[in-house]
Amino acid sequence: QVQLEESGPGLVKPSETLSLTCTVSGYSISSGYYWGWIRQTPGKGLEWIGSIYHSGSAYYNPTLESRVTISVDTPKNQFFLRLSSVTAADTAVYYCARVLSRSGPWVYWGHGTLVNVSS
Amino acid sequence: IVLTQSPGTLSLSPGERAPLSCRASQSVSDSFLAWYQQKPGQAPRLLIYDASNRAAGIPDRFSGSGSGTDFTLTISRLEPEDSAVYYCQQYRSPPYTFGQGTRLEIK
Repeated sequence: QVQLEESGPGLVKPSETLSLTCTVSGYSISSGYYWGWIRQTPGKGLEWIGSIYHSGSAYYNPTLESRVTISVDTPKNQFFLRLSSVTAADTAVYYCARVLSRSGPWVYWGHGTLVNVSS
Repeated sequence: IVLTQSPGTLSLSPGERAPLSCRASQSVSDSFLAWYQQKPGQAPRLLIYDASNRAAGIPDRFSGSGSGTDFTLTISRLEPEDSAVYYCQQYRSPPYTFGQGTRLEIK
């Protein structure tokens, strides 16, 4: 079955760039569907960060768009999140996920990875 | 689209029925609304999509209804394992948004 796993540093310093990788198994990203990143904080709850298609076409939450880049590496079956100029407000559990169809909903999720922004 | 869920917390006994509400600030056309269940330390799990369709493997105790701006998740014959936080989400127009969640406690 489709499985996703997030990986990356658990601690990032303020003003630096958060970088996460989502490795997909059980399905080839190049076969289709949108893939995305969602984060969760106690204060703001669940927040959609952005989505990417296997072609590399991506779109983002306007509240984060100036700092976010999502990219894909189809041969490695991975996609990536980069969030620049982070602050403590970016401390969250970050999930990668795949949609069921069209633009959503999110049917396959990774386990999530906690990223702390702290000096 | 802002999604507002109510109540914030629901405390019910096994066997009872739980109605969870999700109200949208504007119409969610095509009923592109989903419900998720999240237990501590786990990722959200898709229960309902397109407002009323159960996802694969979801028991028929879970049902969704509604359209436009008012949606409901109903959980019948509550079981202890239903204790969790439930979220609604719209995927009709970006930015895709989630409700703040309803915490369901089974006494």
